Amino acid sequence: GQQVMQIPQYQHVQEGEDFTTYCNSSTTLSNIQWYKQRPGGHPVFLIQLVKSGEVKKQKRLTFQFGEAKKNSSLHITATQTTDVGTYFCAGEDSGGSNYKLTFGKGTLLTVNP
Amino acid sequence: SAVISQKPSRDICQRGTSLTIQCQVDSQVTMMFWYRQQPGQSLTLIATANQGSEATYESGFVIDKFPISRPNLTFSTLTVSNMSPEDSSIYLCSVDAGEFGEQYFGPGTRLTVT
Repeated sequence: GQQVMQIPQYQHVQEGEDFTTYCNSSTTLSNIQWYKQRPGGHPVFLIQLVKSGEVKKQKRLTFQFGEAKKNSSLHITATQTTDVGTYFCAGEDSGGSNYKLTFGKGTLLTVNP
Repeated sequence: SAVISQKPSRDICQRGTSLTIQCQVDSQVTMMFWYRQQPGQSLTLIATANQGSEATYESGFVIDKFPISRPNLTFSTLTVSNMSPEDSSIYLCSVDAGEFGEQYFGPGTRLTVT
């Protein structure tokens, strides 16, 4: 079945440093979604990428979708303490059931003020 | 978007018993999903529940252990049957209610089995 790998598992940064998490799927995706889960909270949708090579920005967050639609990345510029949480990528398989998402293991980001 | 509530928010149960988790959505949705998340771990899809049809279970999950009901377009229940300590986890329901097919999650039910 489809597998979605995500690295790193943990990342600790000083406030103001940049952060990047990478996601790689074993199969071609129809789209990839990113979610953020604060400690003790539930996953919250951030963004969806659909097109090959797509790049989207949300303030300090930059999301990329690979040309082959099998990998993606999330980059945060100048982290803040409010960025703390676990970031999950979730892929929707292009050959699979509609709307079913396979989640990566997530990257836990901690920020030292 | 959608607002989702879950009951109970947490429970401590004895092994061998069953717990039913309720998920209520503030709007009508076609698909509802049930996930399990071990603390500090990723989300694992248990099953997809469509109104008016049998739930579709993922590999490793069976109806006898996790029966699901979907009586209407705003409500679903997941039962964790004959519980063992290995069932201790957070159970989340979600709905596919976004413009882009994104999922909205409930706050989760933290289950501890002793």
